[in-house]
Amino acid sequence: QKEVEQNSGPLSVPEGAIASLNCTYSDRGSQSFFWYRQYSGKSPELIMSIYSNGDKEDGRFTAQLNKASQYVSLLIRDSQPSDSATYLCAVKGSGGYNKLIFGAGTRLAVHP
Amino acid sequence: DVKVTQSSRYLVKRTGEKVFLECVQDMDHENMFWYRQDPGLGLRLIYFSYDVKMKEKGDIPEGYSVSREKKERFSLILESASTNQTSMYLCASSPEITEAFFGQGTRLTVV
Repeated sequence: QKEVEQNSGPLSVPEGAIASLNCTYSDRGSQSFFWYRQYSGKSPELIMSIYSNGDKEDGRFTAQLNKASQYVSLLIRDSQPSDSATYLCAVKGSGGYNKLIFGAGTRLAVHP
Repeated sequence: DVKVTQSSRYLVKRTGEKVFLECVQDMDHENMFWYRQDPGLGLRLIYFSYDVKMKEKGDIPEGYSVSREKKERFSLILESASTNQTSMYLCASSPEITEAFFGQGTRLTVV
């Protein structure tokens, strides 16, 4: 079982719709969870971080965390063509070393 | 702003060469990471370091080594480059709990 799993996509949504991206992780002791966006040929950039169960909203983005189900998601409201990118879920594990593991990413395509 | 700088944007090396990829961060972060990214495989962790002279293997350490002699600098070494190490290499740094910041990446081609 991979440590962090994501559906590779592509996820195709029309402009203005809600895009829903999902991620599961295997380390039950994980404490920190992140969503990064990566445009083709560029480095990943942080969109959201979440550390406790529930929802966290920032503009058009909402991150949701459910530690009991080992599940984290990202919702993008009013999707724009500029949101088309690969979205990477990342998890910092338990223990003393703060190992940061990424999923393989979900490619999102927002079409006009 | 946090700055993570990788020494080269593009690099071409010959099979069997010893290759050094350098990464410097300016935010006094404890943790530094080296990843490689290949199409369809996402970011795979090669090595990480949580303190000066301390290192831990990631998921794919074979064929690589690392060095962290100073807190701000983390080097990735390919002891004898092979064509299957052609990839995009990304360095990142982070404080203990919060998010990681990435360098611009080094696209390495081994011929």
